Amino acid sequence: AQTVTQSQPEMSVQEAETVTLSCTYDTSENNYYLFWYKQPPSRQMILVIRQEAYKQQNATENRFSVNFQKAAKSFSLKISDSQLGDTAMYFCAFMKWSQGAQKLVFGQGTRLTINP
Amino acid sequence: SQTIHQWPATLVQPVGSPLSLECTVEGTSNPNLYWYRQAAGRGLQLLFYSVGIGQISSEVPQNLSASRPQDRQFILSSKKLLLSDSGFYLCAWSQLLAVYGYTFGSGTRLTVV
Repeated sequence: AQTVTQSQPEMSVQEAETVTLSCTYDTSENNYYLFWYKQPPSRQMILVIRQEAYKQQNATENRFSVNFQKAAKSFSLKISDSQLGDTAMYFCAFMKWSQGAQKLVFGQGTRLTINP
Repeated sequence: SQTIHQWPATLVQPVGSPLSLECTVEGTSNPNLYWYRQAAGRGLQLLFYSVGIGQISSEVPQNLSASRPQDRQFILSSKKLLLSDSGFYLCAWSQLLAVYGYTFGSGTRLTVV
């Protein structure tokens, strides 16, 4: 069974610093997709970044980038020049095929606080 | 563009009362639809998903049920709510090949008292 583990329940950094959130997953599949979602206090789930497992190049979206280590089954999120608006819960998710649908399996989340 | 609507935003219901949460998607056809529950301070648990009208798959045994009466409408229901049904419920949609992930609704905070 696919599982997603986020080992950091909470993190806190100062504004403008760089922070890295960890995520590991377990799967026997070779081709899959990984995602990071952000959930601010409004609780709206917002897609931050996605990674295709067959691509070796790490995905980047502006200040957000990932370090994808397929052999280690690790998928960390790096936020550069952190801003107050980055304060949110961050969820790592793995996409799996099951019974005719692609399902997102989420980790337990990391609560990130950016301090002024 | 595609949009997803979920309502109500907040609901307080007594134990034993019925429940109906609704989710609709606009701007696409034949979406895959999902219901997730998020307990306080925790991750998201998939409850139900649907790949077509009238087709519902349940992920976990529970007091809830789901229905899809129309292509872009997904309803979460209960005949008699339990205290343990309290939580934050999120509806989401995706294309058949959900390689770009899901798009989520704004959620419903349900408190059973």
